[in-house]
Amino acid sequence: DQQVKQNSPSLSVQEGRISILNCDYTNSMFDYFLWYKKYPAEGPTFLISISSIKDKNEDGRFTVFLNKSAKHLSLHIVPSQPGDSAVYFCAAPSGNTPLVFGKGTRLSVIA
Amino acid sequence: NAGVTQTPKFRILKIGQSMTLQCTQDMNHNYMYWYRQDPGMGLKLIYYSVGAGITDKGEVPNGYNVSRSTTEDFPLRLELAAPSQTSVYFCASSEGTVGSQYFGPGTRLTVT
Repeated sequence: DQQVKQNSPSLSVQEGRISILNCDYTNSMFDYFLWYKKYPAEGPTFLISISSIKDKNEDGRFTVFLNKSAKHLSLHIVPSQPGDSAVYFCAAPSGNTPLVFGKGTRLSVIA
Repeated sequence: NAGVTQTPKFRILKIGQSMTLQCTQDMNHNYMYWYRQDPGMGLKLIYYSVGAGITDKGEVPNGYNVSRSTTEDFPLRLELAAPSQTSVYFCASSEGTVGSQYFGPGTRLTVT
């Protein structure tokens, strides 16, 4: 049973517009969330994180929002650039498992 | 710093063969991990280690073994390879349990 769900396998966005990637989780005990970005033929790289004591964390063009009551988080990228085209994974530490990952969302930013 | 390095980058195995995937990190991290990623799926944890001499199973440990004799190295052993082990394997390391993990570039393994 998936504890971290990314229900959109893919997303296409025009360059300069906002990209919104969504992630839902089932375990209300999760208190820390991470987003990773992955380019083809490379390992994932850490992008941004958020603790459950916050509802927003911003780093340049990237902002993560956390809605604990809805068990939902989202990653906003503004403005989107072609170099942002990648697969984005949502992840959270879960009990004895260091990180549980969602299936990922492939973002394509079209110039 | 090279970060996390993995060898080989690609490998084709026949069913029943064995091999070891190598992983080395130069960041002096205590925590190291092995994941596999199947097409269209997220990363699944195979094994992890919290320090030299200590390893523990992840979500999908069957068919694999690990050892951690040094802080730097965390090899993953496949015994009796099966087609179900065809996947991309990633090694990662981190300073602690909370916080970001640093990933290697991956090993693409095909078992035929």
